[in-house]
Amino acid sequence: TQLLEQSPQFLSIQEGENLTVYCNSSSVFSSLQWYRQEPGEGPVLLVTVVTGGEVKKLKRLTFQFGDARKDSSLHITAAQPGDTGLYLCAGALNRDDKIIFGKGTRLHILP
Amino acid sequence: DSGVTQTPKHLITATGQRVTLRCSPRSGDLSVYWYQQSLDQGLQFLIQYYNGEERAKGNILERFSAQQFPDLHSELNLSSLELGDSALYFCASSVSPTRRGTQYFGPGTRLLVL
Repeated sequence: TQLLEQSPQFLSIQEGENLTVYCNSSSVFSSLQWYRQEPGEGPVLLVTVVTGGEVKKLKRLTFQFGDARKDSSLHITAAQPGDTGLYLCAGALNRDDKIIFGKGTRLHILP
Repeated sequence: DSGVTQTPKHLITATGQRVTLRCSPRSGDLSVYWYQQSLDQGLQFLIQYYNGEERAKGNILERFSAQQFPDLHSELNLSSLELGDSALYFCASSVSPTRRGTQYFGPGTRLLVL
């Protein structure tokens, strides 16, 4: 059972457009992390959100944690080719020490 | 550069064989985690060691084993390899003994079983 669903699986858009990708679950997480992974590399942590409703900004990237701590979104403004990569969300379950990764959204920004 | 190193970068072997993947954590990190990443399953947690002791187990097969040495480097041993074991294997490290802390990932070892 995949506890963390990421959508869309694939997204290809033009440079300069805005986009939002989602990470959803029926489970409550004590924290949620977003990673970006480029081909041939390991995932790199972008942000950790902890509080329900929390919003964090990282330049053109805006991360939001749902009020109920079951879901999260990543919004990118004015996407650039350098944003291309696999975006993974990972949630820490309340009940134990597990971190669950979603399968990721593969984003491709066309110049 | 995350500071986590993994060797080898690529590995091609045959079914039934045994391989060892090596990981050196970031300086000062006591936790080492192993993950398997395949296209259909995504990133799957295998096992964690903290300061030489096994801390947590995930979806690790009995054919796989790991250890962490006194100098904190870790090895993941994969035996009786099957075609389905072909995947990217990542090592990550962190200061924290729990998996809720920030993990820094290495560049991975790409294993191809023929």
